[in-house]
Amino acid sequence: NAGVTQTPKFQVLKTGQSMTLQCAQDMNHNSMYWYRQDPGMGLRLIYYSASEGTTDKGEVPNGYNVSRLNKREFSLRLESAAPSQTSVYFCATMGLAGGHTGELFFGEGSRLTVL
Amino acid sequence: GNSVTQMEGPVTLSEEAFLTINCTYTATGYPSLFWYVQYPGEGLQLLLKATKADDKGSNKGFEATYRKETTSFHLEKGSVQVSDSAVYFCALRDSSASKIIFGSGTRLSIRP
Repeated sequence: NAGVTQTPKFQVLKTGQSMTLQCAQDMNHNSMYWYRQDPGMGLRLIYYSASEGTTDKGEVPNGYNVSRLNKREFSLRLESAAPSQTSVYFCATMGLAGGHTGELFFGEGSRLTVL
Repeated sequence: GNSVTQMEGPVTLSEEAFLTINCTYTATGYPSLFWYVQYPGEGLQLLLKATKADDKGSNKGFEATYRKETTSFHLEKGSVQVSDSAVYFCALRDSSASKIIFGSGTRLSIRP
């Protein structure tokens, strides 16, 4: 049971390069999220998708775009990477059925370094 | 807006000590409250939750009680183990929203 799968797990970019982080879930959840984790800052929400076909900005959306490709997949794109985007990125889904009451299920994270 | 404040770490304790990690929140309505744990090199996983006032969430010997009068959800464990070393995050979900807001995390280290 894969749950939430993120790719790639590690990536090094140069300033100005672009890249896409992929996230796929097999939990049949409607809501998907992208967070970034920085030391001392906890997790900050970048974008989320409450359901297929919708996306909304979170706390720190600048410099990012997202695509909810279908119910399973939610990608995060950096169009022109900056050193301030060096972070660990987590994809998550929210369960609201089957006994779950709004908790998140996380992928293992993607560590991105921008030089 | 909604926010979560938790005690800053790092917290270092000896094995079998009593643990408290404080968490307070600001929210409208009646949020659900969560504690997540992150072990080294892993993503976050749910530790326990409470969905209404006076509920007590518990798991793996950890407990937290949803106190609406003090807007708190403090995490406690009576006797910690080395394997409890991790980062702990308090979080809330507003009842009217799909978002979960996290505190800044508390790193816990347990000495043998």
